[in-house]
Amino acid sequence: AQTVTQSQPEMSVQEAETVTLSCTYDTSESNYYLFWYKQPPSRQMILVIRQEAYKQQNATENRFSVNFQKAAKSFSLKISDSQLGDTAMYFCAFMNNNNDMRFGAGTRLTVKP
Amino acid sequence: EPEVTQTPSHQVTQMGQEVILRCVPISNHLYFYWYRQILGQKVEFLVSFYNNEISEKSEIFDDQFSVERPDGSNFTLKIRSTKLEDSAMYFCATLRGAHQETQYFGPGTRLLVL
Repeated sequence: AQTVTQSQPEMSVQEAETVTLSCTYDTSESNYYLFWYKQPPSRQMILVIRQEAYKQQNATENRFSVNFQKAAKSFSLKISDSQLGDTAMYFCAFMNNNNDMRFGAGTRLTVKP
Repeated sequence: EPEVTQTPSHQVTQMGQEVILRCVPISNHLYFYWYRQILGQKVEFLVSFYNNEISEKSEIFDDQFSVERPDGSNFTLKIRSTKLEDSAMYFCATLRGAHQETQYFGPGTRLLVL
């Protein structure tokens, strides 16, 4: 079974600075997808970014980028130029070949003015 | 942009009562999922559904739970006899095809069992 580990329960960052959220996973599969979802206080799950395991290039979406290290099974999220609206829970997720997705425990990010 | 919708947004029920949570998937999506998130905890997989049958279910998804897609549009989660510990946010998610695309989440139903 796949497991996803987020070792940082809480993090904070000053507005306009950069923060990195860590995620590691365990799998024996070679092809899979990885995701970061944002959950603001409304509790809606919002897709931030995704990465296909077969792609070596790290995914980027505006201020959000990932550092995907397949051999190390690491998938960290970097948020540049942090904004107050980035305050939320962030969940790392792994999806296998059967489209089954599992989530990490989440990291609560607070952006301070 | 098409969205997954869920109804109701909130539901309060008495312990032992049956509840039905509804999800309207994005129209061309074929794979459907239910997840649960107890307050302050992580999102947990409950069940996946494809071609009108369950593909996979977790240990949480016991005999009190059932899913169906009765009319080809709504995808429902039924909890037959609710327990206090069923209080949680329930998310529906849908996925278009079999090529490991993105699961799109609905806004969730907040269930409170008293």
